[in-house]
Amino acid sequence: QVQLVQSGAEVKKPGASVKVSCKASGYTFTGYYIHWVRQAPGQGLEWLGWINPNTDGATYAQKFQGWVSMTRDTSITTVYMEMSRLKFDDTAVYFCARGVGSGSRLDFWGQGTLVTVSS
Amino acid sequence: DIQMTQSPSSLSASIGDRLTITCRATQSITSYLNWYQHKPGKAPKLLIYAASSLQSGVPSRFSGSGSGTDFTLTISSLQPEDLATYYCQQTYRTPFTFGPGTRVDIK
Repeated sequence: QVQLVQSGAEVKKPGASVKVSCKASGYTFTGYYIHWVRQAPGQGLEWLGWINPNTDGATYAQKFQGWVSMTRDTSITTVYMEMSRLKFDDTAVYFCARGVGSGSRLDFWGQGTLVTVSS
Repeated sequence: DIQMTQSPSSLSASIGDRLTITCRATQSITSYLNWYQHKPGKAPKLLIYAASSLQSGVPSRFSGSGSGTDFTLTISSLQPEDLATYYCQQTYRTPFTFGPGTRVDIK
């Protein structure tokens, strides 16, 4: 069965970096894009970008360009989302999700990783 | 960027009620519109994709319609487990923006 399992919660200081992992299983890893979505406390869902695990190419929302990086390791079917220069308002639950079809519907999601930015 | 709006922002309804949530895009997104259900502490769940296609395993009381800029999600008979926030998302052009969400409470 398709599963996306994310790494555990993180607490970081402002200005630090965080790297969240998303391990995929149960399907052909290189056949589907992985998207990253976050939800800050009391807020809605926000799309950060996607990565093509086949090519390692990524597309980011402009807001996140330059300080978010998505990469993959095909040998362990894992995608990473690294965010640098963290600010307090980057505190959020970060989700990875599999994108399917030409419309990129997100059909399977990871369990979410809470990243807390606190001094 | 394509902006998405939803209405209402919240609603309270009784079990068995028929609910309609609307989603509007600032430009045509043809049918590149998905709906998700999100419960606290859980991952979002895909309900409807391509505006009107029911995701496998989703109860048939959920349906979607629309194209271009205006879309609706309908719950034909509200159930207790439908307590959640519902989001639309356009996947016509990156960034794949979400609507602000509609919170559904049970009376």
